[in-house]
Amino acid sequence: SQQGEEDPQALSIQEGENATMNCSYKTSINNLQWYRQNSGRGLVHLILIRSNEREKHSGRLRVTLDTSKKSSSLLITASRAADTASYFCATPAAGGFKTIFGAGTRLFVKA
Amino acid sequence: DTEVTQTPKHLVMGMTNKKSLKCEQHMGHRAMYWYKQKAKKPPELMFVYSYEKLSINESVPSRFSPECPNSSLLNLHLHALQPEDSALYLCASSTPSRINEKLFFGSGTQLSVL
Repeated sequence: SQQGEEDPQALSIQEGENATMNCSYKTSINNLQWYRQNSGRGLVHLILIRSNEREKHSGRLRVTLDTSKKSSSLLITASRAADTASYFCATPAAGGFKTIFGAGTRLFVKA
Repeated sequence: DTEVTQTPKHLVMGMTNKKSLKCEQHMGHRAMYWYKQKAKKPPELMFVYSYEKLSINESVPSRFSPECPNSSLLNLHLHALQPEDSALYLCASSTPSRINEKLFFGSGTQLSVL
């Protein structure tokens, strides 16, 4: 079963607007990651936030983590058409190498 | 070199064919992964190799056979596939110090089974 669930499933915004996507997970984690995937391509790691962190920034990305609610959000500020992609949260499963991906949010940024 | 290279990019095969997917990385990563991704779905883990030994098999049907000949290469041998196996197959790698923290993905092989 999936560890993370994301909403919205799809998001359409105008260039320049901010995009926020949310992720919920089920079990305790020591970190949460966000990945981006352009259509039909591989995933690219964007940012990692550890369980003892509440907020992290990288360029136009802002990630928050609320371990009490088992949820995270990814904010992309001043979006660009090139940000059009699917975004996945990912969490490590207990005990080893397994990383589990959420259902993903498909973001479409209109120029 | 921070790339994971997958070949071929596209593959069409019949249900009686035997084919192989290849993955290569030169980042010194000692964990390598195969994921399967259906359209509009998240990637699902199939296999994990750690130090060239199979660590995880997520109950994948035997028509998929992984192989890790050395620390840089990962293969996925395909035989007698079904049309429902059509998907994007992604290879990934990670450094032992950052397992479960950062995966490096290849661009994938888009597989169609006729």
